[in-house]
Amino acid sequence: SQKIEQNSEALNIQEGKTATLTCNYTNYSPAYLQWYRQDPGRGPVFLLLIRENEKEKRKERLKVTFDTTLKQSLFHITASQPADSATYLCALGDQGGKLIFGQGTELSVKP
Amino acid sequence: GAVVSQHPSWVICKSGTSVKIECRSLDFQATTMFWYRQFPKQSLMLMATSNEGSKATYEQGVEKDKFLINHASLTLSTLTVTSAHPEDSSFYICSAMEIGTSGSYEQYFGPGTRLTVT
Repeated sequence: SQKIEQNSEALNIQEGKTATLTCNYTNYSPAYLQWYRQDPGRGPVFLLLIRENEKEKRKERLKVTFDTTLKQSLFHITASQPADSATYLCALGDQGGKLIFGQGTELSVKP
Repeated sequence: GAVVSQHPSWVICKSGTSVKIECRSLDFQATTMFWYRQFPKQSLMLMATSNEGSKATYEQGVEKDKFLINHASLTLSTLTVTSAHPEDSSFYICSAMEIGTSGSYEQYFGPGTRLTVT
C-alpha cells in the first residue's frame, strides 16, 4: 500500500538558519507533490506544488525539490523565523486531485 | 487567494444525534470538494471526494450511510454525520479545487470543524 513518511521527530532550529524537511514515499507514482503548513486547530494552508516532471520550485524563502527516482521531496525554509513555527505536511496528488498526506513534521524556530 | 469557509467551526452533540457541516467556496467555483478527518497528532485522512451533482466517492473503510455528503452547487458541499458516537469526535476539514486553470491542482482548505460527541 502507499506510504508517505516525513521527519518523525520534531525539528528545532535557531532563527536565521535553514530548515530542511524530508518527505519520502513508496508504492506510488504521484502526478505532483504539495507542501502545506498547518497551525494548531486550523486547516492546512497551501505553500508550494511541484509536478512529477519538475526538479525544483522556489517561492520567496521556500524551496522544494522533487526526486522521483529516490521518491523523495525536500522542503527548505531559508532565513527561518519564529513565525515559521508550525507543522508542515507533505501531500502526494493524482490527476483527479486526490491527496494523500504524510503525518507532518513539527518545526520550532527559536529566537 | 481563494477562500473556503466551514460552518460551524465547532460543535458539541449528544451521542445518537446527527450533525451537519457546511463547506463553501466563497470567491470561486469548485468542481470538486474533498472531506478529510484528522485525529489529534495524526495526519489528514481523506474520507470522500464530492463532485457537484453526482454521488460522492468514499474511501475504503468510510461508511457512506454514516457520513452523508451532498454537493448541491459549485460552491457548497455538506457533510452530515448521522447517529454520531464518541469515536466520531474529530477535526473535519474540507477542501475545494477551483474550476478552470488547466492542470492546476491547487486545493484550498477550510478552517476545519471540531466535532465533539458526548
